[in-house]
Amino acid sequence: AQSVTQLGSHVSVSEGALVLLRCNYSSSVPPYLFWYVQYPNQGLQLLLKYTTGATLVKGINGFEAEFKKSETSFHLTKPSAHMSDAAEYFCAVSDGNTGNQFYFGTGTSLTVIP
Amino acid sequence: KAGVTQTPRYLIKTRGQQVTLSCSPISGHRSVSWYQQTPGQGLQFLFEYFSETQRNKGNFPGRFSGRQFSNSRSEMNVSTLELGDSALYLCASSKNYEAFFGQGTRLTVV
Repeated sequence: AQSVTQLGSHVSVSEGALVLLRCNYSSSVPPYLFWYVQYPNQGLQLLLKYTTGATLVKGINGFEAEFKKSETSFHLTKPSAHMSDAAEYFCAVSDGNTGNQFYFGTGTSLTVIP
Repeated sequence: KAGVTQTPRYLIKTRGQQVTLSCSPISGHRSVSWYQQTPGQGLQFLFEYFSETQRNKGNFPGRFSGRQFSNSRSEMNVSTLELGDSALYLCASSKNYEAFFGQGTRLTVV
């Protein structure tokens, strides 16, 4: 079975500061890992994904994440926060063997302080 | 290319009624999944359809059902609505393990 834990339901950073959103997963098989962003009253937009290959994954809007198998982590980072980054962020895991069934974390709300 | 289209965007229904939500996936995508999003439970998987067949099902009561048509469009139906069914229902269109979400249908049950 797969599951995702996102540490910190709310994170606040100053504009220009480092963004770090934490995600730990549990999976009985090699996981596929994803980060999504959701703006108010909108659907989810894919930021980046890890399936196989390079463990450091770069996504849109300057975000990146590193798959660390030994730590079962897939933390999301961005060197410099922008006001437009304020949103809800979701980490998700899929095992790739059960179709497109995703297991989502509870989300982290990011606030960017000017 | 066009994204995932969900209709309607907003719905208000009365307890005991039934409702049908529609999802048109990205052209060429044969997998459509449905999720329920609520403040208390977060994002929960309802079911996935692939080439008109239900491939996976989440832990929801039988009041929640779905189907997929030959053009990959999908519908989900909720019968005998309960107050707790109020949620944002999201549809995802997938290919190569990448899921693209629609804007959702906001269902309010009163």
